[in-house]
Amino acid sequence: LAKTTQPISMDSYEGQEVNITCSHNNIATNDYITWYQQFPSQGPRFIIQGYKTKVTNEVASLFIPADRKSSTLSLPRVSLSDTAVYYCLVIRDSNYQLIWGAGTKLIIKP
Amino acid sequence: KAGVTQTPRYLIKTRGQQVTLSCSPISGHRSVSWYQQTPGQGLQFLFEYFSETQRNKGNFPGRFSGRQFSNSRSEMNVSTLELGDSALYLCASRRIDRGLTDTQYFGPGTRLTVL
Repeated sequence: LAKTTQPISMDSYEGQEVNITCSHNNIATNDYITWYQQFPSQGPRFIIQGYKTKVTNEVASLFIPADRKSSTLSLPRVSLSDTAVYYCLVIRDSNYQLIWGAGTKLIIKP
Repeated sequence: KAGVTQTPRYLIKTRGQQVTLSCSPISGHRSVSWYQQTPGQGLQFLFEYFSETQRNKGNFPGRFSGRQFSNSRSEMNVSTLELGDSALYLCASRRIDRGLTDTQYFGPGTRLTVL
C-alpha cells in the first residue's frame, strides 16, 4: 500500500535552513513528488515538484536520492512567515492516485 | 487570471440536513478534486472529476457525492449531515495536459459547521 510519511512537527529559528524529509518507500517508477504549504484557514499552495536528483526554485529546493524512497524539502533562511504546515504528495500517474502525507507543522521562532 | 473560487465560504447546518458546496476552477482547468480537512487532520481526498466523470474516489461514505458540469464547475453534496462532517472543504483544480504532474491549485475552502 502506497504511503507517505513525514514528521508531525518541527521547530527552527529565523535565518536558519530547514529541511523536512518525507518517506515514500513504495514509490513507483513514474510517480512524481510535490510539496505544498498551507497556512491556517487557507488552501494549500504549491511549492515545488520533482522526479529525481535536485530541483530548485525561488523559494525552495527539493532533494531526491537515487532510490527515490524519500525526498527532502529545503527552505533556505526561513522567516517567521514560513510558519505553516508542509505537505508531501506523491502523484501516481498510473491510476490517478494522489498520496498525501499527513503534513509537518513547522514553527519558526524569532 | 482568477483563482479557484468556492462558495459559500462559511456555512452552518444542523444534523440531518444536507448541503451543497460549489467550486469554480481556474479557466481552462478541466479537473476538480475535493478534500475534507478537519482540525488537526491532514487532507482527506474525497473525489476527483474530469470531463464530468468521477475518475477517482477516496474512502468516504455514500453520503458524500459530487458532480461536474460541462463548464468544469463542480458541486459537492453531503446528505444527512453528522457532527463529524464539520470541516474545511477544499476544492482544487488542474489543467490536465501533463497527466497528474499538473500542479493542483486550491481554493480558499468552505468552512462547514454542523450543529
